[in-house]
Amino acid sequence: KAGVTQTPRYLIKTRGQQVTLSCSPISGHRSVSWYQQTPGQGLQFLFEYFSETQRNKGNFPGRFSGRQFSNSRSEMNVSTLELGDSALYLCASSLEGTGRRYEQYFGPGTRLTVT
Amino acid sequence: AQSVTQLGSHVSVSEGALVLLRCNYSSSVPPYLFWYVQYPNQGLQLLLKYTSAATLVKGINGFEAEFKKSETSFHLTKPSAHMSDAAEYFCAVRTAGGAQKLVFGQGTRLTINP
Repeated sequence: KAGVTQTPRYLIKTRGQQVTLSCSPISGHRSVSWYQQTPGQGLQFLFEYFSETQRNKGNFPGRFSGRQFSNSRSEMNVSTLELGDSALYLCASSLEGTGRRYEQYFGPGTRLTVT
Repeated sequence: AQSVTQLGSHVSVSEGALVLLRCNYSSSVPPYLFWYVQYPNQGLQLLLKYTSAATLVKGINGFEAEFKKSETSFHLTKPSAHMSDAAEYFCAVRTAGGAQKLVFGQGTRLTINP
């Protein structure tokens, strides 16, 4: 079974621009979560989507948003990019169901550099 | 609120030696605990998880962890280190029930000396 895929893998943007990152979960997984990883702040939860609805949100400004489609694929968007948004953005998917609900499987990430 | 503290941002051991990576958690309700490994330029790979069943959990690649409620700890061990174990390791916690939200420790970089 294919793992979580994220596109693009690398991205370079300029301050003030916006960016959209894509995540395809493992087949059959309906929950998708996003995390930001930086050397200073470590791994921080951005938000989670389940059945096209945002179920939980971390402490990030409104410039960070996301959505989930009916096929469980998810996108996250960052508007008005700042230098501090440079990070590895990780997507994780999870299979809803007893016993397995709490396992999250991560994709390889998208490395975003803001200049 | 849950939190995780990993003691030691960098651990170095010799090949064949015991690996011990420390993790202490804070949670007001029964936690679910996880260890993930991250190799350079890759995402996170699940090593093992504790979800209130057996307190000694065995994972992949010979790793195991023991949940100790009295010590609020979930340390990761491997009896004999291999060069391929060199990576960054993250301990994470989440509450039983509720949405998917992992709270991660700051990570421990494991170096294996030949």
